[in-house]
Amino acid sequence: GESVGLHLPTLSVQEGDNSIINCAYSNSASDYFIWYKQESGKGPQFIIDIRSNMDKRQGQRVTVLLNKTVKHLSLQIAATQPGDSAVYFCAETFSGSARQLTFGSGTQLTVLP
Amino acid sequence: GAVVSQHPSRVICKSGTSVKIECRSLDFQATTMFWYRQFPKQSLMLMATSNEGSKATYEQGVEKDKFLINHASLTLSTLTVTSAHPEDSSFYICSALRGLNTQYFGPGTRLTVL
Repeated sequence: GESVGLHLPTLSVQEGDNSIINCAYSNSASDYFIWYKQESGKGPQFIIDIRSNMDKRQGQRVTVLLNKTVKHLSLQIAATQPGDSAVYFCAETFSGSARQLTFGSGTQLTVLP
Repeated sequence: GAVVSQHPSRVICKSGTSVKIECRSLDFQATTMFWYRQFPKQSLMLMATSNEGSKATYEQGVEKDKFLINHASLTLSTLTVTSAHPEDSSFYICSALRGLNTQYFGPGTRLTVL
């Protein structure tokens, strides 16, 4: 599958504040979700994942929340740092897709000093 | 962690020439790799799924004769852009599937066709 973003939503937060990045996914059959971070000129970097049998998963400074009822995914970053500035993509997949990922349009996070 | 490399990181070529991009999984074997294209300020678009030892599966609208994919080993997939034109200029990214679910991405290749 493919997802084409015609524009890039932006989010600006103050250093030290918490960030919340939202994503609406499209396929109700999707059973695995991943958040990726992409810095300029680099490939996406895995942040955290969650399976559809969970509604919350925590990592180091990051939390992913999944609401299957409304097909919504969010990424929370605690105590946002300048190094967190990047584009964040959610991606969805399901077991019948040969694990092909469908990417969301992405959100540009800018951390202000 | 899982490491995927791409080579070259950037390439400039003349219109009409062919360019080969390599994708390697350095510390794991990958039966399945994926090739994406990304235009500025846009998301990643899946071009094709590369399967070791078999033909690649191309997404709708992607010309298989133009974007040749070879996955000859469990750690290497190559994408060849044949007869490149300026509209093929883009950021090409590969990923390798580790286990059943997780894709690890390469650093990308910036292709500029003059």
